Amino acid sequence: AQSVTQLDSQVPVFEEAPVELRCNYSSSVSVYLFWYVQYPNQGLQLLLKYLSGSTLVESINGFEAEFNKSQTSFHLRKPSVHISDTAEYFCAVRGYGDDKIIFGKGTRLHILP
Amino acid sequence: NAGVTQTPKFQVLKTGQSMTLQCAQDMNHNSMYWYRQDPGMGLRLIYYSASEGTTDKGEVPNGYNVSRLNKREFSLRLESAAPSQTSVYFCASSEGQGLNEKLFFGSGTQLSVL
Repeated sequence: AQSVTQLDSQVPVFEEAPVELRCNYSSSVSVYLFWYVQYPNQGLQLLLKYLSGSTLVESINGFEAEFNKSQTSFHLRKPSVHISDTAEYFCAVRGYGDDKIIFGKGTRLHILP
Repeated sequence: NAGVTQTPKFQVLKTGQSMTLQCAQDMNHNSMYWYRQDPGMGLRLIYYSASEGTTDKGEVPNGYNVSRLNKREFSLRLESAAPSQTSVYFCASSEGQGLNEKLFFGSGTQLSVL
């Protein structure tokens, strides 16, 4: 079975500062990893994903995440956040050969002016 | 193109009542999912269906049943609602495994059990 741990329930950061949202996973098989974002009063949408190949993946709005197999991590980073990045971010995992997609508890990103 | 449609958007039940949450997708996806979202708990998988005719338990299946009526529809039933089932319920479907893998979510059902 797979599981996901998001260590920080809330992360406050000043506008234009860098941010890292942490995600660790547990699995007995190889995994696919995802970050989803939920903006206020909206549904969830895919931000980025790791399926195979390059361990560094990027989104169209400046976020990136790096798959680290040895540390079982998939941390999300952005070098300079904007007020529009205010949202809740969810890390998710799916094991090879499985259709079940498991989410973490989420991290609320608060952008301070 | 409606995507994933959930009904109803809001519902209030009394303890012990039953109800069915409906979900339909028009994207010809094989996989469908039901999640519940609670503050501080993230999204927890209730049941999922990898294809028409199959369903499997997720992380928190107790108190729920599902039906994959056809490829488009995946319903969630609460036979005897309890206050612990107060939550926001999301249905999702998946474009499948591979490069295009992505969950599409419905707009959610806010359920209160009194």
